Parts: sequence; structure tokens; C-alpha cells
Amino acid sequence: AQSVTQLDSQVPVFEEAPVELRCNYSSSVSVYLFWYVQYPNQGLQLLLKYLSGSTLVKGINGFEAEFNKSQTSFHLRKPSVHISDTAEYFCAAGGYQKVTFGTGTKLQVIP
Amino acid sequence: EPEVTQTPSHQVTQMGQEVILRCVPISNHLYFYWYRQILGQKVEFLVSFYNNEISEKSEIFDDQFSVERPDGSNFTLKIRSTKLEDSAMYFCASSARGGGETQYFGPGTRLLVL
Repeated sequence: AQSVTQLDSQVPVFEEAPVELRCNYSSSVSVYLFWYVQYPNQGLQLLLKYLSGSTLVKGINGFEAEFNKSQTSFHLRKPSVHISDTAEYFCAAGGYQKVTFGTGTKLQVIP
Repeated sequence: EPEVTQTPSHQVTQMGQEVILRCVPISNHLYFYWYRQILGQKVEFLVSFYNNEISEKSEIFDDQFSVERPDGSNFTLKIRSTKLEDSAMYFCASSARGGGETQYFGPGTRLLVL
């Protein structure tokens, strides 16, 4: 069975500062890894995903994530955040169909 | 850009009533999913649907839930006899294939059971 852990429920960060949102996963089989963003009162939008290949994955809005198999992590990073990045971010792990989500991290960008 | 749509955006119902949540997946997608998010909690997988049958379901998806693709475009989730704890945001998603293919999510239906 898969599980996804997001240790930080909230992350406040000043505008233009870098940010890292942490995600760890556990799975007995190969997984596909995703980061989704949810803006207030909206659905889930895919930021990026890792299927195989290069461990550094670049996504939309300047975000990137690094897959680390030995540490079973898939942390999300952005070198300089903007006010518009304020949202909730969900790490997720997928098998062939089912996707298992973490509990989410609320990113609050402070002007 | 094609997108998944869901109706209604909000639904209020009395406990014990039946509700049907509707979704129109992206037109060339073959896999369809329902997820739910209870307020303040994480998004939880309910069911996946492929080739006109359920391919995977979670323990949450008990006998009071059913899914159907009644025609070539709609995908529905029916809750037969709603309970208070069914109050949640329900998301529909679709993907072109399985195996890590991106699932595209709709905006959700917020269901409130009184």
C-alpha cells in the first residue's frame, strides 16, 4: 500500500524568498509521484510529475521537485515565491490508477 | 484547453436522500475517477472506472455508492442514502490512460448533507 506524508501543514514565507515543501512516500512497488496545487475554491491542478528518468522534474509556475529514491522523498521547491503562489499544495503517489494524496501543505506568501 | 466539468457546483440535501453528482470528462479520455475531500482533510480516492466497469475502489466506496457512464460523455456518482458524514467536496478526474498518466481534475461539487 502507498502512503504519502507531508510533515508541514503550513509554511509561511516572505515574497521572493525560496521555499521547499517536503514530501515523503512509502510504497512497496514503483510509484509515480505528483504535486498538485489547489487555489481557494478551485479544483486540483497538476504542477509536475515524476514517472521515470531524470530525478529533477520541472513544472509550471517555476516549481521543481527532486525524486530521491534512497530517502523516499519528493520535495517541491521554488527559488523565489510570489504572492500568487499562496495556495494549498498536495503531494501524491500513484499506482496504475489510484492516486494517494498527502494531507496538504498550505503555503502562505507574506508580502 | 479541454477540461473536466462537474455539476452542480454545490448541492444541499437531507440525510437519507439520494444524490447524483455529474461529471463530463475530457472527451478522448478512457479512465475516470471520483475522489472526495472532507473539509480540512486530504483528498481520498473513491473509485476508478474503465471500459464501462469499476477497475479499482477504496474501502470508502461501499454499497451506498455507485458510478455509471450513462452515455458517451457523462460520468456520474450516485449516493443512495446520504449520511451526514458524506458532506465533502467531490472531485471527478479523467486520464487518457492509466500507469501514471496525468489525471485532470474537475472543479468539484460541494455536497452538504443536513
